[in-house]
Amino acid sequence: DVKVTQSSRYLVKRTGEKVFLECVQDMDHENMFWYRQDPGLGLRLIYFSYDVKMKEKGDIPEGYSVSREKKERFSLILESASTNQTSMYLCASSLSEWPGQGADEQYFGPGTRLTVT
Amino acid sequence: AQSVTQLDSQVPVFEEAPVELRCNYSSSVSVYLFWYVQYPNQGLQLLLKYLSGSTLVKSINGFEAEFNKSQTSFHLRKPSVHISDTAEYFCAVSGTYKYIFGTGTRLKVLA
Repeated sequence: DVKVTQSSRYLVKRTGEKVFLECVQDMDHENMFWYRQDPGLGLRLIYFSYDVKMKEKGDIPEGYSVSREKKERFSLILESASTNQTSMYLCASSLSEWPGQGADEQYFGPGTRLTVT
Repeated sequence: AQSVTQLDSQVPVFEEAPVELRCNYSSSVSVYLFWYVQYPNQGLQLLLKYLSGSTLVKSINGFEAEFNKSQTSFHLRKPSVHISDTAEYFCAVSGTYKYIFGTGTRLKVLA
């Protein structure tokens, strides 16, 4: 079974703090994704990575950055957290090499619920 | 550009009744279509997918969806729901490399 783990289930941070969300997958998948999930908005793609040290902006990258130094690990960084970044953050991975990944199933972690106060 | 519309944000249904969760998409290119389910306090997991071939696809727990190209739809159906089907369901469309998720439909199964 593919396993995608996220470093925290719940996180509370203060406005202006630098926040790191970590994601690890154990199945040697090529692609990794960060989404945020908000009620009524569904899942929105923040960033994705199709190879080590390669990254692409998603639909809502503003205020976020990412790092992928190793194939199994994909980190989401909030440089200066703001209250409008309070959300559920979901990490996912999929197998195929880009650009064939469209047909792939995405495997999701359990999510990190981030509250910024 | 691709988009996905799930018109129903919430669907309440009694146990053992049939249910249909609607999904419509728009795309100028061929797409792959997916339904994911999210149980409370969990991540999403794949329920079923359409890539090519037979337009009717089924999951192991009794759900099915039919790809209708002329109506650009991929509605999810189950003839008899259980309490354990209570969850949020997301339709997704994918082109060559990027997924677009719908806003989700919360299915509430009532005893």
